Amino acid sequence: KAGVTQTPRYLIKTRGQQVTLSCSPISGHRSVSWYQQTPGQGLQFLFEYFSETQRNKGNFPGRFSGRQFSNSRSEMNVSTLELGDSALYLCASSLDHSYNEQFFGPGTRLTVL
Amino acid sequence: LAKTTQPISMDSYEGQEVNITCSHNNIATNDYITWYQQFPSQGPRFIIQGYKTKVTNEVASLFIPADRKSSTLSLPRVSLSDTAVYYCLVGGNRDDKIIFGKGTRLHILP
Repeated sequence: KAGVTQTPRYLIKTRGQQVTLSCSPISGHRSVSWYQQTPGQGLQFLFEYFSETQRNKGNFPGRFSGRQFSNSRSEMNVSTLELGDSALYLCASSLDHSYNEQFFGPGTRLTVL
Repeated sequence: LAKTTQPISMDSYEGQEVNITCSHNNIATNDYITWYQQFPSQGPRFIIQGYKTKVTNEVASLFIPADRKSSTLSLPRVSLSDTAVYYCLVGGNRDDKIIFGKGTRLHILP
C-alpha cells in the first residue's frame, strides 16, 4: 500500500510569510503527527491529530498550527515565518497513536530567507 | 512521559554485533519501548517495539530486563548501510508526547 506522502517536498519562503504543508497518511491510519528536525535541536514533536482532533501539542509557539480532515489527511501551517523555522518537517502516521509504530513521510524541506 | 538517555555516538565494524543501550529510569507501567533508525534527510523508520523480556524480528532484537529501566537494541552482523542515527522512545499513554531525543549516531567502519 502507498506510504505517507508529503507535499511540497521543498519550499523557499521569506521572513514574515506563511506556509502550509500537507500530509496524506497511510490508508486506514487515523493518527497523524508532525515533527520539526533541525541540526541543532534534533527531531522535535509539533503535534498529533486523531479523528480530526488535536490530541497533543509540543512546545512550539502559536504560529505553528495544524488540522486534520475527515479522511485523515493533515495540514500544518506556520505563520509569520522566522529564519529559525528553516527545517525538515516530517509527518508520520500510525493506526491509532504515535507511541505505536509510526510511518514517516519523506519530509518537506523549508528554507526561510 | 519517561525521558531516555542514550550514548551520543558509537563506532563498530562490519560483521560485528552492535548493542545500543537506552536508559529510561522513570518508565511507567504501561509504557512501551520503541526504536527507530534514521538516515540523513529521511524520516525515521520503525525497527522494533517491546514491553518486557526479549523481542526479535528480522532486523534486530530488543532486550528488556525485568525492572524495565533500560533496554538494549541488538543489531546482528552490521554492514556499512547500518550507519545511521538510532532513537529510543518510551510511551504508552494516550496523552504522551513522543520525544525522540538526540539519538545514537552509529558509524560502521569497513
